This record gives sequence, structure tokens and C-alpha cells, in this order.
Amino acid sequence: GAVVSQHPSRVICKSGTSVKIECRSLDFQATTMFWYRQFPKQSLMLMATSNEGSKATYEQGVEKDKFLINHASLTLSTLTVTSAHPEDSSFYICSAESRQGASGELFFGEGSRLTVL
Amino acid sequence: AQTVTQSQPEMSVQEAETVTLSCTYDTSESNYYLFWYKQPPSRQMILVIRQEAYKQQNATENRFSVNFQKAAKSFSLKISDSQLGDTAMYFCAFTGNQFYFGTGTSLTVIP
Repeated sequence: GAVVSQHPSRVICKSGTSVKIECRSLDFQATTMFWYRQFPKQSLMLMATSNEGSKATYEQGVEKDKFLINHASLTLSTLTVTSAHPEDSSFYICSAESRQGASGELFFGEGSRLTVL
Repeated sequence: AQTVTQSQPEMSVQEAETVTLSCTYDTSESNYYLFWYKQPPSRQMILVIRQEAYKQQNATENRFSVNFQKAAKSFSLKISDSQLGDTAMYFCAFTGNQFYFGTGTSLTVIP
């Protein structure tokens, strides 16, 4: 199956700094990628939909200026948490939709655990 | 509104036994896909099984099978011969124009 790589898997940063998380589709082109946030023992909460070459579509309640998403190529989307604060600490997961076979399946990255001190 | 409901937050099963996880969904779309994803302690989301809505035959993948009742909008997952490695969170998901996840069921396989 298609492979999505997410980096870094863990990051610790100081409050006020910015952190960038990368999401790459390794063996397929992803015109659309999704960014989720997951709190402990809860489901995935969609933050935004990232379309290659255009602005991301954010879900209600997600701050655009806080969570910057860039999808500059068909294989890379990045999420930058700007001026991070402890409440931004969470598990962030990206996913990509492969058009191969039109299965509708989402392929997920390994996730990134962000800890803001 | 399109929703996915998993009414069992936690379940447990004895090793080698069979367990069924429930999922219902609501949609007005006619063409869609349904999925069960597994999230083990590593947090990596892994596809367990997929069902196309236009197919009447229930999908099966080794020890995993589904009971898809389209009219009732029900999509349950049956795990046979449960193994310790099946311990994980299980998410039911639906995709039409957008991907929707259920709230998850935490399954523990007891040795």
C-alpha cells in the first residue's frame, strides 16, 4: 500500500517558538492531505484539508494563523505550529488520499507528538 | 449531517475468542466507502478492512470480517480468534465527500 512519512515523530520545544512538521507521500502523488489532532484516548479531529498549490481549508475553530499549512508539492505538506504554547501539546497526524484505484482509503503518517514546555 | 457512531467506548475479549465492534453511520449519499482502522499503542493508524457501499457482499480479511447492513446504516467489525496484538483503539470511518471518524472503541485482548 501507499506510504506516508511524517517527521519528526517527537518534538519538544519551548513556549513561544515555532515547530514545523512534515508529511510526505513516498510512493504516490497526493493532491490532498489532511491534518488531524488527537487528544489522549479520543478520536482524530480534523484540523485542515491541504490542497496542493492552494490555500488550506481549515475546520471551524482552528486558528489559521496558529497552524500554518503549506502544500507546495504533490508529495509534501507541512504544518507549522507558530508561537507554540503548552495547550498546543498534542499528537498530530497527517494523512493523504491516493487516487490509485479510487478506493477512498486514507493513508496515515506515523504521527508527531508535540510537547511544549 | 454525516456522522459515525461507535457506542462501545471500551471492550475486552479473551484471547482466541470472537468479539464484535459496533458502528452506525448516517448519510444521504449513495456512493461511499466504510473503513475500520486500528490504532495500536504505537499510534500508527492501520487499515483493517474496507467496504464499498455498492457491494452487498461483506468484506473479509483473514480474521476480520464486517457485517454491513446498508439499509440500517450499520457496519460492525468481527474479530475472530482474537490475538494479543489486536489490542488497540478501533475507529470506524466513512468517506463520501469527506472523511468522518467515529469516537473509537478501545479493545483489550486478555491473555
